[in-house]
Amino acid sequence: GAVVSQHPSWVICKSGTSVKIECRSLDFQATTMFWYRQFPKQSLMLMATSNEGSKATYEQGVEKDKFLINHASLTLSTLTVTSAHPEDSSFYICSEFGPFSYNEQFFGPGTRLTVL
Amino acid sequence: DAKTTQPTSMDCAEGRAANLPCNHSTISGNEYVYWYRQIHSQGPQYIIHGLKNNETNEMASLIITEDRKSSTLILPHATLRDTAVYYCIVRVPNSGYALNFGKGTSLLVTP
Repeated sequence: GAVVSQHPSWVICKSGTSVKIECRSLDFQATTMFWYRQFPKQSLMLMATSNEGSKATYEQGVEKDKFLINHASLTLSTLTVTSAHPEDSSFYICSEFGPFSYNEQFFGPGTRLTVL
Repeated sequence: DAKTTQPTSMDCAEGRAANLPCNHSTISGNEYVYWYRQIHSQGPQYIIHGLKNNETNEMASLIITEDRKSSTLILPHATLRDTAVYYCIVRVPNSGYALNFGKGTSLLVTP
């Protein structure tokens, strides 16, 4: 399998500040990572696909200038929520495929963001 | 990905089998059925997947009907730790694209 970590596990910030969330692939090099967000009592919604060494691909309706994704290495992808507002409060989860196939997607533990 | 329909919620007594249904009547010939679950405030976890034959692993069994229009995930002896939202996803295998999650079934295992 694959082990994915996220940091921080939770963060509280003031409105207008920026928050960076890290997603690390701990046991293999992931060329592609995915970022999801999940609002309370809702399902996971794909935000973007992060490709190492190239620009991320954002889903329709996700502001690329607000949610900055950097995948500078094969083991680290970061999501920066810029000028966060209370409506950005959500559970952010990253994921990757395993090293041997695309049949199983491995998820990080998630980051709970609360914007005051 | 083919559309799936799952009940919103289900209850199951601890120690009994939990049978979670999923309808996927528009599944195409090359699409597989995948099951994931998400325990509260955690990332989703892969459970099992299959094409047409029944599959079993250490976590669960997957029964797919002969016409492949529906399937059932079976947790043979549910425990309290199996309380989670269970997602049935139909997709082409090895596509390289991210999973699309529907609303899933919220399973509550009671003592």
